[in-house]
Amino acid sequence: SQELEQSPQSLIVQEGKNLTINCTSSKTLYGLYWYKQKYGEGLIFLMMLQKGGEEKSHEKITAKLDEKKQQSSLHITASQPSHAGIYLCGADSTDKLIFGTGTRLQVFP
Amino acid sequence: ETGVTQTPRHLVMGMTNKKSLKCEQHLGHNAMYWYKQSAKKPLELMFVYSLEERVENNSVPSRFSPECPNSSHLFLHLHTLQPEDSALYLCASSQGLGGRFAGELFFGEGSRLTVL
Repeated sequence: SQELEQSPQSLIVQEGKNLTINCTSSKTLYGLYWYKQKYGEGLIFLMMLQKGGEEKSHEKITAKLDEKKQQSSLHITASQPSHAGIYLCGADSTDKLIFGTGTRLQVFP
Repeated sequence: ETGVTQTPRHLVMGMTNKKSLKCEQHLGHNAMYWYKQSAKKPLELMFVYSLEERVENNSVPSRFSPECPNSSHLFLHLHTLQPEDSALYLCASSQGLGGRFAGELFFGEGSRLTVL
């Protein structure tokens, strides 16, 4: 079965700093999703990547898909307290969406 | 109204109780899901319904019983649970059922379950 590993597991950064979260799959990625979750709440869709080399941005968040490496990265530029939360990657795996364990991000002033 | 609504948001129950979690989606989607989120574990898919028929059951114990009376409503009936069943239970819906590039899942805010 396919598994997604995220790194780091947790991250504490100062406001204004850049950061990167990685998601590595044990199998070929056909579709990669990034979600954000506030503690104890539901997941909010951020973006979806479909093709190797694809890159998408939304506000200060950029995600890339490296299909050959079976990996995706999420980069936040000039982090803000509003970026705090848990970031999860998800992937299409035989007709269902599986998720990584998540990366907990804290941003302090 | 938000797209996917879950009730109750918080539930505390004893091991001998019977309770139900409810999920309602207002997005016109035809697939609905139950996920379990425990501390330090990936989200676990429990059940998938497409057009009101169960299409996936990931070896979930029988003390969890799903019900999908129509495409907008999904229930999770709980009975004789164990303390290790304490978790955040998330409901989601999608247009289309999984697979390649099926699109995003829309999640509810979850029901936090504590089993004493």
